[in-house]
Amino acid sequence: NAGVTQTPKFQVLKTGQSMTLQCAQDMNHEYMSWYRQDPGMGLRLIHYSVGAGITDQGEVPNGYNVSRSTTEDFPLRLLSAAPSQTSVYFCASSRTHTGSVEAFFGQGTRLTVV
Amino acid sequence: AQRVTQPEKLLSVFKGAPVELKCNYSYSGSPELFWYVQYSRQRLQLLLRHISRESIKGFTADLNKGETSFHLKKPFAQEEDSAMYYCALSGVSGSRLTFGEGTQLTVNP
Repeated sequence: NAGVTQTPKFQVLKTGQSMTLQCAQDMNHEYMSWYRQDPGMGLRLIHYSVGAGITDQGEVPNGYNVSRSTTEDFPLRLLSAAPSQTSVYFCASSRTHTGSVEAFFGQGTRLTVV
Repeated sequence: AQRVTQPEKLLSVFKGAPVELKCNYSYSGSPELFWYVQYSRQRLQLLLRHISRESIKGFTADLNKGETSFHLKKPFAQEEDSAMYYCALSGVSGSRLTFGEGTQLTVNP
C-alpha cells in the first residue's frame, strides 16, 4: 500500500544549486500536483498534471519545472535554488481532476536553501 | 478566481468543549468543499467532503451557499483531535484544489 511516495524526505541546498524532488504513485491516478506549504499561507499549488504528457502552472510556478512522461511519476525540478524556496513540498494525486474526488498526499519533502 | 479563507490560524479548546473551525470561500460556480487534516508527523489526509454529508470522527460540516461557508464542527473535542486542519475547494467541472491557510487546533486536557 505505497500510495504516493516522495523522495527525499529532507534536503539542504546551497543557493544556485539545482535538484529534483521525486514523486511516484501506484494507484493509476490521472491527476498529480505539487504544493508548497509555508506557515500562515497554507498549501499553494506549484504545478499540476491531468495526465501523462500534460502539465500546467499553478499559483506559484516560478523557479520550478515539471514533466509527466509516465502516469506514475511527476518530478519537480528546482532550476536554481533560492532561499525563498525553503519550504515543505507535498505531492498529491487523485483519480481524476473533476468532481468530489479525494486527493492522496505524499509524506512531504522538507527543503532548506542556504 | 477561487479562494478559501480560514480566519483562525490557531484555536485552542479544552477536552469535551465544542469546537468550530471556520472556512469561507469565494467561487463563481458550484464548489466542491473538503476538509483535510494533518496530524503531527503524518501526511495530509481527507477528513470529509460536503457531498458525502457524513460525520467522520465526530466532525460534521455543512455547506452554506448563502454565506459561502463550510465550517467544521464537533460537539465534544478530544485530545487526539489536535492537528492542523485545512479547508479546500475545487470546482464540480474540474479545477485545481485550492487550500485555505490552515487552522492549528489544540485540545487541552
